[in-house]
Amino acid sequence: EIVLTQSPGTLSLSPGERATLSCRASQSVSSSNLAWYQQKPGQAPRLLMYGASSRATGIPDRFSGSGSGTDFTLTISRLEPEDFAVYFCQQYAGSPMYTFGQGTKLEIK
Amino acid sequence: QIQLQQSGPGLVKPSQTLSLTCAISGDSVPSNSGAWNWIRQSPSRGLEWLGRTYYKSKWYNDYAVSVKGRITINPDTSKNQFSLQLNSVTPEDTAVYYCARGSFGSGMLGYWGQGTLVTVSS
Repeated sequence: EIVLTQSPGTLSLSPGERATLSCRASQSVSSSNLAWYQQKPGQAPRLLMYGASSRATGIPDRFSGSGSGTDFTLTISRLEPEDFAVYFCQQYAGSPMYTFGQGTKLEIK
Repeated sequence: QIQLQQSGPGLVKPSQTLSLTCAISGDSVPSNSGAWNWIRQSPSRGLEWLGRTYYKSKWYNDYAVSVKGRITINPDTSKNQFSLQLNSVTPEDTAVYYCARGSFGSGMLGYWGQGTLVTVSS
């Protein structure tokens, strides 16, 4: 099973600051099959990035993704109040078909 | 615009069967570009993929090893929906259950249902 480990567990920042979230895989993952999601309380996860670096429809350009192999990063360039949420990375086509990281909670400092 | 609408009971007794349905609008269950997934989320297990159904000349299913033998995902073309059945549930199956559409190729889960909290308790 491909295990995704996210760090940090919690990130405390202020609006306007830059956020850098990490996702490390236990074995190499194709960049094409790495995605990021945002989840707010009481809501389903929302697709942010796919293919490691492509923004989903309607996602603002302050969100960017990078990485390859076992190390991937989600960056939010300037935090807006609505960006404070939990973020998950996800891989596809391993075994099981999908696995998710445990999440990084982005909270207001 | 693709939308997924979940329905089903929020309380199931131990040893019984959990049954949920996901109605699709804006796409068809025999889609040529995506698969239909069930995913659950709990504090102890996080987000856990359970399985999927998809059509490529015929119907296929993939299931997670953790629930294999207890799970069935069925498409219903007449109602344009798909369903989840999970047998012999225990309190460990208590979670929020989501249906989601996964794209072939990238596997991105671009569309999600609203989620259903299912509690397993007598």
